[in-house]
Amino acid sequence: AQSVSQHNHHVILSEAASLELGCNYSYGGTVNLFWYVQYPGQHLQLLLKYFSGDPLVKGIKGFEAEFIKSKFSFNLRKPSVQWSDTAEYFCAVNAVDTGRRALTFGSGTRLQVQP
Amino acid sequence: DAGVIQSPRHEVTEMGQEVTLRCKPISGHDYLFWYRQTMMRGLELLIYFNNNVPIDDSGMPEDRFSAKMPNASFSTLKIQPSEPRDSAVYFCASSLRHSLSGNTIYFGEGSWLTVV
Repeated sequence: AQSVSQHNHHVILSEAASLELGCNYSYGGTVNLFWYVQYPGQHLQLLLKYFSGDPLVKGIKGFEAEFIKSKFSFNLRKPSVQWSDTAEYFCAVNAVDTGRRALTFGSGTRLQVQP
Repeated sequence: DAGVIQSPRHEVTEMGQEVTLRCKPISGHDYLFWYRQTMMRGLELLIYFNNNVPIDDSGMPEDRFSAKMPNASFSTLKIQPSEPRDSAVYFCASSLRHSLSGNTIYFGEGSWLTVV
């Protein structure tokens, strides 16, 4: 079964700092990859997704992620964070060729941006 | 367009009581998922349905949990009897198989359950 690892559990940054959150998955076949964001007290919202094509994916609010197949990674980046980016970020994977539709989520990374 | 709608948003109940959580997926979506979120275990898939049929219920913790989907626009997750360790946020989500956006899953706002 596939699994997702997010090695950074809690990240604290100052406004305007650059962000990179790590995500690694364990599945050798074709995958769909997602980053979701959960603002305090709210539900999960889709930030960006990768299905195929250009491995550099741009999402909402200035976020982007790069799929590196050889490293089984899908790291999330943002060049300059804002206080409003304070939230929990979840990486998720779907193993396409298993036919299974559900996503497997990582444990999440809590981002705290200090003004 | 309305998103995934869940009720109740918050529930506090006593141990041993029955709890029923409800979900209305996005209209036209043919997949429905129930996830549970806790601090200790993160986001766990409990069960998911395709065209109202349960496909994978391996994440359902034990026999106290049951889920049904009587029609395409409604699903329930029931806990009977409830225990304090069931306290969590329960998310319902839905997706459309043949969407151009693939299997993007859209989440409801969650039902925050506290069992005392």
